[in-house]
Amino acid sequence: QVQLVQSGSELKKPGASVKVSCKASGYTFTNYAMNWVRQAPGQGLEWMGWINTNTGNPTYAQGFTGRFVFSLDTSVSTADLQISSLKAEDTAVYYCARGSGSTGGVYFDFWGQGTLVTVSS
Amino acid sequence: SYELTQPPSVSVSPGQTASITCSGDKLGDKYSCWYQQKPGQSPVLVIYQDTKRPSGIPERFSGSNSGNTATLTISGTQAMDEADYYCQAWDSSTGVFGTGTKVTVL
Repeated sequence: QVQLVQSGSELKKPGASVKVSCKASGYTFTNYAMNWVRQAPGQGLEWMGWINTNTGNPTYAQGFTGRFVFSLDTSVSTADLQISSLKAEDTAVYYCARGSGSTGGVYFDFWGQGTLVTVSS
Repeated sequence: SYELTQPPSVSVSPGQTASITCSGDKLGDKYSCWYQQKPGQSPVLVIYQDTKRPSGIPERFSGSNSGNTATLTISGTQAMDEADYYCQAWDSSTGVFGTGTKVTVL
């Protein structure tokens, strides 16, 4: 069965960096795009962007350029999200979500369990 | 930037029908999907490509999309359907989520 298992919660100080990992299993990793979604405490879902798991080419949504980096390790079917120069407002749950369907009709059919990143001095 | 607007809350009695709207400019020209999120859990896809239900999603969930509005309908609402619901669509290759609707089953 398809599973996306994310790394555990992180507590970081402002200015530090963090890496969130998402390990996929139960399907061919390179056949599906991987998306990242943020949810700040008590807030809604926000699409951060996606990475092409075939080419490694990332696409970032507005507001997620510069400090946010998507990467892959296809040898272990893992997608990573790295955030640098952390700020208090980066405190959120970060989800990876598999993208299915074709351009214009992509939907997120499987989600990781979420990783809480807390930024506090 | 493209926006999808949902009512903040919808209340429904058990066994009745709940309708959740999602409004966006020419949304009917795009594919919409819907996610259910219960407290402390990850979102779950309940409708994709406007009207399709993933395997395992009960038939009481249905979707439609026309004009500027997509609608998620829950027929015969059960207590277990109490959750936040988010619509989602794509605009110029950018994913956009709706503002979210809290469904309360009274």
